[in-house]
Amino acid sequence: AQSVTQLGSHVSVSEGALVLLRCNYSSSVPPYLFWYVQYPNQGLQLLLKYTSAATLVKGINGFEAEFKKSETSFHLTKPSAHMSDAAEYFCAVSADILTGGGNKLTFGTGTQLKVEL
Amino acid sequence: EAQVTQNPRYLITVTGKKLTVTCSQNMNHEYMSWYRQDPGLGLRQIYYSMNVEVTDKGDVPEGYKVSRKEKRNFPLILESPSPNQTSLYFCASSFDREAYGYTFGSGTRLTVV
Repeated sequence: AQSVTQLGSHVSVSEGALVLLRCNYSSSVPPYLFWYVQYPNQGLQLLLKYTSAATLVKGINGFEAEFKKSETSFHLTKPSAHMSDAAEYFCAVSADILTGGGNKLTFGTGTQLKVEL
Repeated sequence: EAQVTQNPRYLITVTGKKLTVTCSQNMNHEYMSWYRQDPGLGLRQIYYSMNVEVTDKGDVPEGYKVSRKEKRNFPLILESPSPNQTSLYFCASSFDREAYGYTFGSGTRLTVV
């Protein structure tokens, strides 16, 4: 079985400050890891994903995430927050059936990011 | 434009009145899925489909039905809606496997009174 824990349901940062959203996962086989963003009244949009290639993954809108196997983490960062980054962010984990996983995509409970002037 | 289209975006209905939320994708994706999103609970999978005529239960299937008669369409049916089904619903599709991640629709906000 696999699971995702997002630490902090709400995170507030000042415009221009570092954004750090935490995600820890549990998986018995090599995972795939995702970050999705949900803007108000919209669906989920893929920010970035890790699929066993480079451990530092760059996504859209200046976001990146680093896969750290030893820490079972996949934290999302952005060097300088912008007002337009205010949204809800979801971390998700899956594992391919070809590598012994169950093919299921499991989401965390989300982190609401607030950006203040 | 590659997309997943859900209709309607907003729906208010009364308890017990059957309803269908439609979902269509134009990417020739094999996998399709329905999720519901509730505050503090994240996204929970209702049903998924691996291909035409192949569907299976997700984590919270009670009170819902689905069908997959064509590859592009995956409607969600509530035979007798109840207030605890008030939620935000998302349809999603994936090219090959669920493990590779989904493309999501814009959502349907359902209120059952």
